[in-house]
Amino acid sequence: GENVEQHPSTLSVQEGDSAVIKCTYSDSASNYFPWYKQELGKGPQLIIDIRSNVGEKKDQRIAVTLNKTAKHFSLHITETQPEDSAVYFCAAITGFQKLVFGTGTRLLVSP
Amino acid sequence: NAGVTQTPKFRVLKTGQSMTLLCAQDMNHEYMYWYRQDPGMGLRLIHYSVGEGTTAKGEVPDGYNVSRLKKQNFLLGLESAAPSQTSVYFCASTLLEAGRDEQFFGPGTRLTVL
Repeated sequence: GENVEQHPSTLSVQEGDSAVIKCTYSDSASNYFPWYKQELGKGPQLIIDIRSNVGEKKDQRIAVTLNKTAKHFSLHITETQPEDSAVYFCAAITGFQKLVFGTGTRLLVSP
Repeated sequence: NAGVTQTPKFRVLKTGQSMTLLCAQDMNHEYMYWYRQDPGMGLRLIHYSVGEGTTAKGEVPDGYNVSRLKKQNFLLGLESAAPSQTSVYFCASTLLEAGRDEQFFGPGTRLTVL
């Protein structure tokens, strides 16, 4: 079955810097890759997603890139702000729209 | 719309006790899911349902049962709780429509088994 690996597990940056989180997946049949942000005490919330027919997608300060050949995708956050501090999860879709999640990255943005 | 709601928010059980977690969604979603979240392990799928009256096992189903008697509700049961089931439980739902894959998550239930 699908396996998703995520790195790094923790990431500390200064406000205004960029942050990059990387994920790899194993099942070449997966065609949808969402990124979720989870704030303390809350459920995960979708921040951006990408489909396998697209190489890159942007939404203001966040972007996701996908390399199908290498089976990896990345989340890029530019001009980080303290409110970006949270845990971020990548995921890949399998049958019946089930998601397989990475283990999460704790991002800390220091003022 | 309230989206996805979960009841209760917190619960403490003793080993061997039983309980039911309730998930409700008001978005008319076909698919519903139960996940557990443990430190350093991300979210792992326990059971899921593709429609009213149907359920299926996920990655970590042992010790749990589920029921989907109504489209809007998905119940997760623990018949005999064990300390290994201490976790945060999340319910999610999604629409059965091509190109609409986003899963919407509830706020979670924090369960401690002593």
